[in-house]
Amino acid sequence: GENVEQHPSTLSVQEGDSAVIKCTYSDSASNYFPWYKQELGKGPQLIIDIRSNVGEKKDQRIAVTLNKTAKHFSLHITETQPEDSAVYFCAARETDSWGKFQFGAGTQVVVTP
Amino acid sequence: DTEVTQTPKHLVMGMTNKKSLKCEQHMGHRAMYWYKQKAKKPPELMFVYSYEKLSINESVPSRFSPECPNSSLLNLHLHALQPEDSALYLCASSHQGTIYFGEGSWLTVV
Repeated sequence: GENVEQHPSTLSVQEGDSAVIKCTYSDSASNYFPWYKQELGKGPQLIIDIRSNVGEKKDQRIAVTLNKTAKHFSLHITETQPEDSAVYFCAARETDSWGKFQFGAGTQVVVTP
Repeated sequence: DTEVTQTPKHLVMGMTNKKSLKCEQHMGHRAMYWYKQKAKKPPELMFVYSYEKLSINESVPSRFSPECPNSSLLNLHLHALQPEDSALYLCASSHQGTIYFGEGSWLTVV
């Protein structure tokens, strides 16, 4: 089955700096890679996703890159703000696997003013 | 609108109680899910309903019983739970493979 590794487990950044979180996956059949942001006491919120036919996707300060050959994908947050502080989860899913996502262990991001 | 609504937000129940968690979505999504999340861990899949039929049960103990009355509603019936079942229970629905989570129900078993 799929295995997703996520690094780092914690990330502390100064406000205004960039943050990068990296995930690697094991199953080459995986073709959809979402990122979720989970604030304290709330459910995970989808912030960006990428499919295997695309190498990069950007939405304002957030971008995701995918390297299918190396089987890794990364989340980039630029110009970080205190409200970016949260736990971020990456995930990978195979085609037609109906919600059998494999999540990474999560990254606690702390943005200090 | 990608809203999945869960009730109640908080639930405290004894080990002999019977309670239910409820989930609702009106986005026309035909797949709905229950996940369990422990503190500082990623969500763990419990059940998947596809077109109102149970398609995946991740070997969940029978004290958790899911029900999908219609395409908009998903319930999780709880009976004879253990303290280790205390967790955040997340409902989700999906469209074209993208999963949207609700805010969750915090369950404490005493």
